[in-house]
Amino acid sequence: GESVGLHLPTLSVQEGDNSIINCAYSNSASDYFIWYKQESGKGPQFIIDIRSNMDKRQGQRVTVLLNKTVKHLSLQIAATQPGDSAVYFCAVASANDYKLSFGAGTTVTVRA
Amino acid sequence: NAGVTQTPKFQVLKTGQSMTLQCAQDMNHNSMYWYRQDPGMGLRLIYYSASEGTTDKGEVPNGYNVSRLNKREFSLRLESAAPSQTSVYFCASSASGGPDTQYFGPGTRLTVL
Repeated sequence: GESVGLHLPTLSVQEGDNSIINCAYSNSASDYFIWYKQESGKGPQFIIDIRSNMDKRQGQRVTVLLNKTVKHLSLQIAATQPGDSAVYFCAVASANDYKLSFGAGTTVTVRA
Repeated sequence: NAGVTQTPKFQVLKTGQSMTLQCAQDMNHNSMYWYRQDPGMGLRLIYYSASEGTTDKGEVPNGYNVSRLNKREFSLRLESAAPSQTSVYFCASSASGGPDTQYFGPGTRLTVL
């Protein structure tokens, strides 16, 4: 099965700085990668996704980078704001598979 | 659109009691999922339904049953609750089969005493 791990369980960042959250996966056949944000007491909220035929994708203030060679995924948040404080999860799926495998999550705290 | 809705939001059970968690989506999605989330852990898949009329076991199915009632609704049943089933339960849905964005409900916080 797929193993998904995060490099740091917590991240503290100064408001206005950029945040980088990392994720490693084990299955070289993984095809789909997605980042979720979860605020306290709420369900995970979709942020951005990327498929294996790409190595970078940008959204509003967020960028996902995929390095298939070392099986590494990262989420970059530009100009981090207090509203970005949350737990961030990466999830991975293989082609033709319904099932997402989730990492344990990184708690991001934004300092004013 | 409400997206994915779940009821109840909170529930306390005694060991051995049964209950059904309800989930509905209004996005006309084909696939639906039940996850549990425990402290310090990611979400673990309990059961999923790739399409109406089909259900399959996920990573942690023991102690649970599911019913895909129609395209909109997917319920999770605990026949005899155990303290190990104390968790937060999330329902999710996705448009299509294969890897796709899953959209989550707000969760049900269940405590089994």
